[in-house]
Amino acid sequence: SYELTQPLSVSVALGQTARITCGGNNLETKNVHWYQQKPGQAPLLVIYRDSHRPSGIPEGFSGSNSGNTATLTISRAQAGDEGDYYCQVWDSSTVVFGGGTKVTVL
Amino acid sequence: QVHLVQSGAEVKKPGASVNVSCKASGYIFINFAMHWVRQAPGQRLEWLAWINPLNGNTKYSQKFQGRVTITSDTSASTAYMELSSLRSEDTALYFCAKADVGATLGYWGQGTLITVSS
Repeated sequence: SYELTQPLSVSVALGQTARITCGGNNLETKNVHWYQQKPGQAPLLVIYRDSHRPSGIPEGFSGSNSGNTATLTISRAQAGDEGDYYCQVWDSSTVVFGGGTKVTVL
Repeated sequence: QVHLVQSGAEVKKPGASVNVSCKASGYIFINFAMHWVRQAPGQRLEWLAWINPLNGNTKYSQKFQGRVTITSDTSASTAYMELSSLRSEDTALYFCAKADVGATLGYWGQGTLITVSS
């Protein structure tokens, strides 16, 4: 089965840029989606199809996908951006999530 | 506005079954697939299955094949997830999520806590 690999944690200084990676075999051939999850809440879609932002998601969130790695970038990080971030793809008609990355804003 | 409202928390004994419901509103129910995802305490998101309410077609994660059954009632705009042969490792928050643009999971229910304990 297809696997997605994410770092366990990423720290970023307030106002700086955080980059969260998601690795998978030939990942660039798939559409990668990203979700933010805060404690006690359901996940929230923040990026879809590699680089598209849903309505209502701040411009500071962006994404890319090349080769075996997709990247979620959080620019000008704020305290409210803290949480867990999950990448997701489709594989053989099933949904696959990465292991999640905990983002801490210092 | 899309809303997914799930049934309340339950405590079950090992070996029992549990049924979780997810009532949808704010969109045409049969036009979008519904997914089920769970999250054990402090753990990652884990996908269980999805259903196409239009025709009842389903797809299950291999891990849960044979133990989870998802159905839908189009007249009630409600999806259901039944998990059988419960064990302590099934203790988790169970979410329903509506398929959305780009085959994403765009809208989520509030989650239903299932606790398996003797």
